[in-house]
Amino acid sequence: AQSVTQPDIHITVSEGASLELRCNYSYGATPYLFWYVQSPGQGLQLLLKYFSGDTLVQGIKGFEAEFKRSQSSFNLRKPSVHWSDAAEYFCAVAPYNNNDMRFGAGTRLTVKP
Amino acid sequence: DTEVTQTPKHLVMGMTNKKSLKCEQHMGHRAMYWYKQKAKKPPELMFVYSYEKLSINESVPSRFSPECPNSSLLNLHLHALQPEDSALYLCASSHREEYNSPLHFGNGTRLTVT
Repeated sequence: AQSVTQPDIHITVSEGASLELRCNYSYGATPYLFWYVQSPGQGLQLLLKYFSGDTLVQGIKGFEAEFKRSQSSFNLRKPSVHWSDAAEYFCAVAPYNNNDMRFGAGTRLTVKP
Repeated sequence: DTEVTQTPKHLVMGMTNKKSLKCEQHMGHRAMYWYKQKAKKPPELMFVYSYEKLSINESVPSRFSPECPNSSLLNLHLHALQPEDSALYLCASSHREEYNSPLHFGNGTRLTVT
């Protein structure tokens, strides 16, 4: 069965520092991969998605993610974090359709001044 | 601003009450979803409607009853809930159920069952 793992429950970075959030998936083929962000008391907002093609995907708010088939990873990166990026980040995989979408446990990002 | 609107934002209800959660979207999406999210956990899929027909029911107790009156509206009727049902209930929509159709989420209804 497909699954997605976010190894880091909580990450703290300083404002202006770079960020990388890890995501690993388990699936027999290449799934469809997503990163969502959730601010406190809000719904989830799509940051970016990967279906095929260029393995480096650009998203909103200056985020990017790189798909690495050999490592079964889809890590999220941002070169310079802003205080407003503090939120919960969810990686998700949808092998066939949205009914099969599985979310990782989430990584909470804290940004220090 | 979210394009999926959920009302109410907060709801407190007793275990004998009947209440409804509402969700509306005007993006022309034909798939709509209910998710339940407990604190510090990822969303869990409850129901999927595709073209106004119930497509998926993830073994949700019958005290939760979904309804899709038309392609823009999705309701979740609540009756005889338990305190453990307290959670954030998220509505989402997508162009279709297919994989290449990202989910658009509302801001949720924070439900407390007393």
